[in-house]
Amino acid sequence: SSELTQDPAVSVALGQAVRITCQGDSLRSYFASWYQQKPGQAPVFLMYDNNNRPSGIPDRFSGSSSGNTASLTITGAQAEDEADYYCHSRETSGSWVFGGGTKLTVL
Amino acid sequence: EVQLVESGGGMIQPGGSLRLSCAASGFTVSSNYMSWVRQAPGKGLEWVSVIYSDDGTYYADSVKGRFTISRDYSENTLYLQMNSLRAEDTAIYFCTRVIADSRGGGAFDPWGQGTLVTVSS
Repeated sequence: SSELTQDPAVSVALGQAVRITCQGDSLRSYFASWYQQKPGQAPVFLMYDNNNRPSGIPDRFSGSSSGNTASLTITGAQAEDEADYYCHSRETSGSWVFGGGTKLTVL
Repeated sequence: EVQLVESGGGMIQPGGSLRLSCAASGFTVSSNYMSWVRQAPGKGLEWVSVIYSDDGTYYADSVKGRFTISRDYSENTLYLQMNSLRAEDTAIYFCTRVIADSRGGGAFDPWGQGTLVTVSS
């Protein structure tokens, strides 16, 4: 079972902001990274090192972290943002873990 | 261009073995942490294994003792040897590079397109 907890599903109105959260004890030691996955595609790297976006990722995506919770915020959600979102972290044991994923619906 | 291309997937009977390959271009596999991640049909991402630049390895409990991660320096290729396969190993297997972050953790980028492994009789 996953040791990073995400809400299974979240919805947002087009153009509004939405926050996707990820909780786990490992997040007190390590940053989360975030991935977007659309049906039939490989995951896309969105965010790492708390709030660093790889080149090509729109600035409407931002990250933050506090205590055992990491958050991915989409400011001004677009229709193309509808996807599954996964958080990921290293664990103190040396292994790595993904959250269960959050299905984002843009209304 | 940094790219990963997996191969070697297919259908295999329970108890069988399969070796997945991941050919890298645009960077050197040997000087990076590399990892395998899988996704069962309709399910979320599951981390499988990592190999560090010093050749240290870690595995998810679900595959420990059955899977082995390795790499070939001359071929610039990552491998996953999978033995004693079970139905629950059925998944798309992705290879990915680990990018270190400022806290000693990391992120996965890029990802290959994945290769499907189906374990069924």
